Amino acid sequence: AQSVSQHNHHVILSEAASLELGCNYSYGGTVNLFWYVQYPGQHLQLLLKYFSGDPLVKGIKGFEAEFIKSKFSFNLRKPSVQWSDTAEYFCAVTTGRRALTFGSGTRLQVQP
Amino acid sequence: GAGVSQSPSNKVTEKGKDVELRCDPISGHTALYWYRQSLGQGLEFLIYFQGNSAPDKSGLPSDRFSAERTGGSVSTLTIQRTQQEDSAVYLCASSLQSSRGGTDTQYFGPGTRLTVL
Repeated sequence: AQSVSQHNHHVILSEAASLELGCNYSYGGTVNLFWYVQYPGQHLQLLLKYFSGDPLVKGIKGFEAEFIKSKFSFNLRKPSVQWSDTAEYFCAVTTGRRALTFGSGTRLQVQP
Repeated sequence: GAGVSQSPSNKVTEKGKDVELRCDPISGHTALYWYRQSLGQGLEFLIYFQGNSAPDKSGLPSDRFSAERTGGSVSTLTIQRTQQEDSAVYLCASSLQSSRGGTDTQYFGPGTRLTVL
């Protein structure tokens, strides 16, 4: 069975700092990768996704992620965070089964 | 259009009681998923419905949990004889599952927060 690891459980940054959240998965076959975000009091929203093609994918609100197959990684990045980016971020993977397997989440706190 | 809706938003129940949680998927979405989000376990898959196919129940934690989907649209998740460890946020998601196959994006509802006293 596939699994997803998010190594950073809680990240605190100042506004304008750069962000990189790690995500590694374990599965040897073809995967589809997602980052979801959950803002305080809101439901899960899709940030970006990778199905195939260009391994550098761009999402909403200036986020991007790079799929590195050799490293089984799909790290999330943003060059300059804002206070409004304070949220919990979840990496997820699907294979042929189609149900999502989620990482444990990273809580990002951006200080003004 | 409207997103995935779930009701109730909050449910408090006593240990041993049965509860029903409802999910209305996005119109036209053929796939529906239930997940739960709890402090100790993170986000876990529970059950998956796709069209008229038999549901994938592999994530259900015990036989106290069941779900049905009527008419290919609304789904109800039922938890019988609730236990305190069932306390969690129960999330529903739907996706288009186009005929060409492959993976489609899942869109999530706001969840039902279940508290078992």
